[in-house]
This record gives sequence, structure tokens and C-alpha cells, in this order.
Amino acid sequence: GQNIDQPTEMTATEGAIVQINCTYQTSGFNGLFWYQQHAGEAPTFLSYNVLDGLEEKGRFSSFLSRSKGYSYLLLKELQMKDSASYLCAVTRGSTLGRLYFGRGTQLTVWP
Amino acid sequence: KAGVTQTPRYLIKTRGQQVTLSCSPISGHRSVSWYQQTPGQGLQFLFEYFSETQRNKGNFPGRFSGRQFSNSRSEMNVSTLELGDSALYLCASSLQGAIDEQFFGPGTRLTVL
Repeated sequence: GQNIDQPTEMTATEGAIVQINCTYQTSGFNGLFWYQQHAGEAPTFLSYNVLDGLEEKGRFSSFLSRSKGYSYLLLKELQMKDSASYLCAVTRGSTLGRLYFGRGTQLTVWP
Repeated sequence: KAGVTQTPRYLIKTRGQQVTLSCSPISGHRSVSWYQQTPGQGLQFLFEYFSETQRNKGNFPGRFSGRQFSNSRSEMNVSTLELGDSALYLCASSLQGAIDEQFFGPGTRLTVL
């Protein structure tokens, strides 16, 4: 299988910055996705990294280091509505139609 | 543009029964993937269909099967239901597969009693 690790839970306060890490050991690694999932809802797409480096999209940024098998999702100016589960998922070149998900990081934002 | 739709949204079955879940992808999307989500295992890949062909398959028993129709709509079937099959079943559609963004449907919550 694919080893994808991310912290189970994180907490932060409104207005703060939080970094959610994801490490993976994936043969034939192709790319990495981040999804957000609110309780009782479907996952929604946040970002997709294929090349090394930082991708910025508004308050959210995602970083990838292919050589280190490491990614992080950076959330700035946290809001209460950012309380959700954040899922890291990788794709492999040999099975491009398939996402391999981590267990997710439950982020709680306090006022 | 309408999103991914799944029917039914909730389902209660008993052990030994079978169930069929349906997924309608976003118009123009040819790839449909199915995932099982449980608190203990997270999101687990079931299978992916592209242009009516199963392109990828996860590590689930043969009781789990699926198909895709010419209009890209997909169904998955679970036969001889077990208590452990209770889960949220999510389908996701994309243009080409997991090399681009996958859009998830709201899911079908299956409870097996």
C-alpha cells in the first residue's frame, strides 16, 4: 500500500496561521492533492501539486517536495469556517485514475 | 453546471441483502471513481471507470462491483451485505481521472443492520 501520514488533529485560533503536514512513501509518485471536508459533507478540492514548490491560492497555499516525500497545506487568517478535516491524497503514474488518501487531519478553529 | 449527484442519499439494509447505488457525474466528465469512507479506515478507493471500462480497482472483495453506462452514469452494487459495509459511499467525477481535479458527490450513507 501507500504510506501517507498526516496528524490526526490540530487546533488553532481565529486569525492565526496553521500548517498541516503530509508525508508519503509512494512508488511511482505522480502528484498530491489536498481536499477539505466539512462534517457530513463531500470533500472539496483545495490544491494539486505535481512539481516542487509552493502554490498559493488566496488564504491557502500548498507546498511539495518530491525528493523528501513531503507536502504541507498552509492556512492563513484562519476563520471559524475553516474547521474541517483536511485530506492529503497522492496519485501514482501507474494508476492515474486513483487517489490514495491519508486519514485526514481534523482542524478545529477556536474564537 | 450541475454537480455530481448520488442516489439515494440514505439507505438502510439488513445483512445478506444487496444494494445498488447510483452516481451521475458532471456533464462531460468521463471518469467516475467510487470511495468508501468510514471513521476507522478513512477514504478507501473502490474502483474507477473511464468510458465504460473499469480502469482501476481497489482491494475490496468481489461482493463490490460496478459499471458505467454510455452516458457516464455509474452504479455500484454490493451483494450479501455485511455489518462492516456500513459507510458513506462517495463517488467522484473528473474529465480524465486523478490527474485533474475530482469533484465529489454528497455520498450515500449506507447502514447495514
